[in-house]
Amino acid sequence: GENVEQHPSTLSVQEGDSAVIKCTYSDSASNYFPWYKQELGKGPQLIIDIRSNVGEKKDQRIAVTLNKTAKHFSLHITETQPEDSAVYFCAAIPNAGKSTFGDGTTLTVKP
Amino acid sequence: EAQVTQNPRYLITVTGKKLTVTCSQNMNHEYMSWYRQDPGLGLRQIYYSMNVEVTDKGDVPEGYKVSRKEKRNFPLILESPSPNQTSLYFCASSRLGTSGNTDTQYFGPGTRLTVL
Repeated sequence: GENVEQHPSTLSVQEGDSAVIKCTYSDSASNYFPWYKQELGKGPQLIIDIRSNVGEKKDQRIAVTLNKTAKHFSLHITETQPEDSAVYFCAAIPNAGKSTFGDGTTLTVKP
Repeated sequence: EAQVTQNPRYLITVTGKKLTVTCSQNMNHEYMSWYRQDPGLGLRQIYYSMNVEVTDKGDVPEGYKVSRKEKRNFPLILESPSPNQTSLYFCASSRLGTSGNTDTQYFGPGTRLTVL
């Protein structure tokens, strides 16, 4: 089955700096790669996603890159703000199949 | 308002006492799923459903049952709960594309279950 590894498990940055979180996956059948943000006491919420026919996607301060050959994808957050502090999860999902999530990254943005 | 609702939000029970956690979505989504979240282990999928009467096991299905008799509801059943099922549970739903690919999953607020 699919295996998703996410690094780092914790990340602390200064406000205004960039943050990068990386995930690797094992199953080449996975073709949908979403990133979720989970704030304390809430359910995860999608922040950006990418499909396997695209190499990069950007939405304001957030971007995701995908390298299908190496089977890894990354989340980039620029100009971080304190409200970006949360737990971030990546996932790898094939068509009509199981969803496999990474273990999560706790991001802390220090003012 | 488009949403996924779960009930109850908090539950404390004892070993062996059957319980059901309900999940309902109002977005007409085909795909529904249950996850459990434990510290350091991320979100692990328990069961998922591609449509009514179609369910399949996720990575950690042991000790759980589900049913999908209606499109909007996807209850999670613990026939004989044990302490290792103490966890935070999330239900999620998503539409399916024409080729069966999942889209954004919308998560419920979570159910915190404690089994004594």
